[in-house]
Order: sequence, then structure tokens, then C-alpha cells
Amino acid sequence: NAGVMQNPRHLVRRRGQEARLRCSPMKGHSHVYWYRQLPEEGLKFMVYLQKENIIDESGMPKERFSAEFPKEGPSILRIQQVVRGDSAAYFCASSLGLADETQYFGPGTRLLVL
Amino acid sequence: GQSLEQPSEVTAVEGAIVQINCTYQTSGFYGLSWYQQHDGGAPTFLSYNALDGLEETGRFSSFLSRSDSYGYLLLQELQMKDSASYFCAPRGNTGKLIFGQGTTLQVKP
Repeated sequence: NAGVMQNPRHLVRRRGQEARLRCSPMKGHSHVYWYRQLPEEGLKFMVYLQKENIIDESGMPKERFSAEFPKEGPSILRIQQVVRGDSAAYFCASSLGLADETQYFGPGTRLLVL
Repeated sequence: GQSLEQPSEVTAVEGAIVQINCTYQTSGFYGLSWYQQHDGGAPTFLSYNALDGLEETGRFSSFLSRSDSYGYLLLQELQMKDSASYFCAPRGNTGKLIFGQGTTLQVKP
């Protein structure tokens, strides 16, 4: 049973470009969470999605960031016009449902903005 | 508001027992999770307490007191591979986990 998959594992972008990060949840999981981790810090919640719905985006920056979880395919975190401060590790986690307390994390995408 | 406190660093020797404390303040509290992270890799789920009391999983145990907004992770028979960062993460009613800065555990021979 494959775990949470994220790709790419490493992504390098120049300032002003777009970054697209993908997350495939564990089989059977319909809840996806995105977290960001800056160096030497803990993970910060960004957004919580179910299929075709954004449930909680209270941690998402108001500009340049968007997320989706379509009916088919992976969840996508999109960062437009990246800046150096966006450099971080972005982790995706999935769970069976809100009543299921365990979130399983993917390996993360390391974004470096030059 | 939300706040979370746990020690930044803990050092112990192989075979010892170490306790990592966590105090939290969060709205819509559901339970307290603990995660382990090695060198910035994927956080690995260790334990979850929804109710007061002690949960034991092998060498790791976790405790929760909801009335005190307090929990701890107990690691027994420490091994070198336990050197990692440990995060307590209160779970809010929307499902999101609130992570603090984490505790860096260094296990020495």
C-alpha cells in the first residue's frame, strides 16, 4: 500500500516563476493537508482540502498561493510569482477523514527560489 | 489564540528514559498527536491521545491531561536512531495540526 506521494522532491525556480507541487494521498484517503516548514522551524498549516472542496485555508497567504484537489488526480499547491521567502519544504499529509486522527505525511517538496 | 511550548533540546544516553513535555493552548481541541522527524524528512506519526491518560506503543508512551492542557512523550530504552526532532501537535476541530518548534533529541553513546 503506497504511502503519500509528492513530486517533485526538489524544485528550483527563479524569482517570478510559478511553482506547482503535487500530492497523491494514500489509497482510500480523501482528505489532504498542506504544511510548510522553514529551516529550523516546525511545520505550519496552510490548507485542508477534500475532493473538489477547500475546507480550511486559514494558513494560506492571501496572494500568490492556491490549492486544489480535483475529483481525479493529485492535489496541487500552486505558488505564482515566487519570491526567495517561499523557499521551504512543503509537506502534504492525508487522512481517511476528519474522524480519523492520523495524518500520514509525504516526503515533501524542497523548493528553492534563486 | 493558539500557543505551544516544548523544550527546544534534550540530550540523553543510550538506554535511558526521556520525557518531552508539551503545553498547549488551542481552540476547538480534539486531541494531541506526536510526530518524529529525522533531518527534515517526512514527519512520522508516533502517537495520539484523544482522552486523558497514558497510551503505550512499544518503547514510546504518550500522556494527556486535557484539564491542564498538558501532555508528554516518554521514550524508553533510548537508541541512537531515536535522535531526531519530536513535535507535539494539537489537533483542532477542522482537522489541522498545530506544530511548535519541536524538541531536538540527541542520544549519546
